[in-house]
Amino acid sequence: AQSVTQLGSHVSVSEGALVLLRCNYSSSVPPYLFWYVQYPNQGLQLLLKYTSAATLVKGINGFEAEFKKSETSFHLTKPSAHMRDAAEYFCAVSGRRAQKLVFGQGTRLTINP
Amino acid sequence: KAGVTQTPRYLIKTRGQQVTLSCSPISGHRSVSWYQQTPGQGLQFLFEYFSETQRNKGNFPGRFSGRQFSNSRSEMNVSTLELGDSALYLCASSLLEGQETQYFGPGTRLLVL
Repeated sequence: AQSVTQLGSHVSVSEGALVLLRCNYSSSVPPYLFWYVQYPNQGLQLLLKYTSAATLVKGINGFEAEFKKSETSFHLTKPSAHMRDAAEYFCAVSGRRAQKLVFGQGTRLTINP
Repeated sequence: KAGVTQTPRYLIKTRGQQVTLSCSPISGHRSVSWYQQTPGQGLQFLFEYFSETQRNKGNFPGRFSGRQFSNSRSEMNVSTLELGDSALYLCASSLLEGQETQYFGPGTRLLVL
């Protein structure tokens, strides 16, 4: 069985500050891990994914995430927040052979000017 | 290349009615998955189709069903609608069964009155 816990349903940062969104996972098999972003009234857009290559994964829009097996974490970071980063972010896990994505509850990111 | 398209984008139905939602995957993609998104339950997996066969099913009642056609387009049907079925229904496609990356459409927002 797999599960995802996103710590903090709401995160607020100032423009230009570091963004850190936390994700911990549980998986009985080696996982694939994903971060998706959802803007209002839109679907999900893939930010980045971990599929067992490099543990530090770079994605779109300046985001990156580091897979830490010992901590079962896959936190999302961005060095400098921009107003356009305001959205809801979802961490998700799947097994290597399973198509089903299991999502966390999401973290709403607010950027203060 | 065009993304995943879903029709209709918005739908209003009354309790007891049935509804059919449509999803066209990215050209060349053969796997389609469906997810339900609600404020209370978050994002939950409904089912996955590949080569016109259901490969995986989430924990939803039998009122929720789907199918996939030979051109990989998919439909999902909800019969005997309940108020709790109000949600954003998201379709995602991937190239092959078991491919790790799913690309999401904009969703169909269903309101049940």
